[in-house]
Amino acid sequence: GAVVSQHPSRVICKSGTSVKIECRSLDFQATTMFWYRQFPKQSLMLMATSNEGSKATYEQGVEKDKFLINHASLTLSTLTVTSAHPEDSSFYICSAQLHGRGQDSPLHFGNGTRLTVT
Amino acid sequence: GDSVTQMEGPVTLSEEAFLTINCTYTATGYPSLFWYVQYPGEGLQLLLKATKADDKGSNKGFEATYRKETTSFHLEKGSVQVSDSAVYFCALWLSGGYNKLIFGAGTRLAVHP
Repeated sequence: GAVVSQHPSRVICKSGTSVKIECRSLDFQATTMFWYRQFPKQSLMLMATSNEGSKATYEQGVEKDKFLINHASLTLSTLTVTSAHPEDSSFYICSAQLHGRGQDSPLHFGNGTRLTVT
Repeated sequence: GDSVTQMEGPVTLSEEAFLTINCTYTATGYPSLFWYVQYPGEGLQLLLKATKADDKGSNKGFEATYRKETTSFHLEKGSVQVSDSAVYFCALWLSGGYNKLIFGAGTRLAVHP
């Protein structure tokens, strides 16, 4: 149980275009989803926290107009990288937390999306 | 600020060797602590957790004890296997209105037969 599906797993796009990444909780409801970015050989950096039905909370230094997050339902959150540039190339990972649980509920992670901007 | 520091890798061991991966943290309050593992080509999976001081988390032969006095949560395993080769992340959960998981840099473990 507690499967998080992230799609696509890999995407290559041209500079200036936008890319949407989907994160779905398949067998549970997730009030909160988190979006991370992982640079090569580095840790996961939290980009934003997404709450169903409300605006996302972005971490300091993350451009909210560039990384658009939508959490329209308890099972789906999307991250759109707008006007992508080569420096946006990275590994993006989403995670979801079981609805109604606090710190006793671990996060469940998707398998990540490798974005390459040419 | 709140942070997690892990020992740098890679850690290279022979099969059946003893493993320790150090993790220390800085946080206000009393966070919950986690170890996640990322096997090659897969997403992160929860390995074990501890929610309060002196708790010991354990799973698949791995153990870690929440040490408040040393602000540490070191991961140990008595006898590693080749299948344990992966990247291990120490993390802390900030509650009290923050509600977010902060990761350490990750430690790559390579176990050779």
